[in-house]
Amino acid sequence: QVQLVESGGGLVKPGGALRLSCAASGFSFSDHFMSWIRQAPGKGLEWVAYINSGSSYTNYADSVKGRFTVSRDNAKNSVFLQMNSLRAEDTAVYYCARYGGYDSGCDLWGQGTLVTVSS
Amino acid sequence: SYELTQPPSVSISPGQTASITCSGDKLENTYTCWYQQKPGQSPQVIIYQDNKRPSGIPERFSGSTSGDTATLTITGTQATDEADYYCQAWDSSNRAVVFGTGTKVTVL
Repeated sequence: QVQLVESGGGLVKPGGALRLSCAASGFSFSDHFMSWIRQAPGKGLEWVAYINSGSSYTNYADSVKGRFTVSRDNAKNSVFLQMNSLRAEDTAVYYCARYGGYDSGCDLWGQGTLVTVSS
Repeated sequence: SYELTQPPSVSISPGQTASITCSGDKLENTYTCWYQQKPGQSPQVIIYQDNKRPSGIPERFSGSTSGDTATLTITGTQATDEADYYCQAWDSSNRAVVFGTGTKVTVL
């Protein structure tokens, strides 16, 4: 079954850290870019980061640059998002998505995991 | 930063045609994708490469681009099409993915 399953969300205090995981199955994970996208409660979609297939290139939204790190383990078919120095405005559902490129967009999404940053 | 602007909401009667626009000053130089997100669900791509539909997406969904505006058209809107719709494009200057502001489609 082709799917992405996120985990690792939860409640964290401002300034804290959290690591999200996304497990892929049913497709050749190592052939694809992967991306993280978030959605604050009642708000729109915001791209967060992506990583290329071989982990040699990453890029981040300005809002998370320097605080978040995306990585992947192709042997384990997993992609991760390390989130440090969390702020209240980082509260959102975080989606893992397979990124097909500038022409195909995000063609496979996980169910999302909720991150709440609050004291 | 690069922005894609959509109307906040569109209301349509069943059977009518709905058009959702997405405006951005670099759209004519890149491809646009469209996503549908129903309440409580993850987004799903319904249009890619401006006008292509993935397998399983109904033919009533179509996309087009003219100049700096992309348009998603729903022909013969059904009640099940009530959802939020987002455009998305590639910002080549910053090598970033950009989403539109989103449009809530209400089927009256």
